[in-house]
Amino acid sequence: DSGVTQTPKHLITATGQRVTLRCSPRSGDLSVYWYQQSLDQGLQFLIQYYNGEERAKGNILERFSAQQFPDLHSELNLSSLELGDSALYFCASSARDTYEQYFGPGTRLTVT
Amino acid sequence: AQRVTQPEKLLSVFKGAPVELKCNYSYSGSPELFWYVQYSRQRLQLLLRHISRESIKGFTADLNKGETSFHLKKPFAQEEDSAMYYCALSGWEWGGYQKVTFGTGTKLQVIP
Repeated sequence: DSGVTQTPKHLITATGQRVTLRCSPRSGDLSVYWYQQSLDQGLQFLIQYYNGEERAKGNILERFSAQQFPDLHSELNLSSLELGDSALYFCASSARDTYEQYFGPGTRLTVT
Repeated sequence: AQRVTQPEKLLSVFKGAPVELKCNYSYSGSPELFWYVQYSRQRLQLLLRHISRESIKGFTADLNKGETSFHLKKPFAQEEDSAMYYCALSGWEWGGYQKVTFGTGTKLQVIP
């Protein structure tokens, strides 16, 4: 157990809908990262937050947004969902930017 | 800009054979490099990082700055090594923050 938790574990929703994925980092970790993992795209970095501020952006669609709250937990919001958004969404945390990342178990999103 | 390339999507080897998972990177400064492993249905976890120069589960990786490579090696593959392996680079970006880039991953399949 890495200490990073993600909810929900599984999510099934319809196209056009909006969902929110939640991540709680390890105690004391200031950085939170979001990744999308699909069969054909591999692991894609979406966005990073550090102590509440956006630090780096990867291949994140405009339909997606994220935030990190004062208690350091983070949420990833996915809207106007499409079939292609079906994937495993991982959250990771680290104490600092250069430190190793600890991954959560992921949220499996299925868009029907 | 930083880039991580893992040229092989799939690597199949027989049990007891040597393993080499390739990773090449592009980065203008001094990178910090990692190997992460993802066993079936489990979360990603750190396998090793180049600055610690350690051997984990029989795996080693040496940073070759001349060839900009960080290949992962193991002299004798075991069936339990079958997993997805990701190479990652952490480097400074303009703006004074560290960015982490993952490769697309190599699936290692050890044949009994």
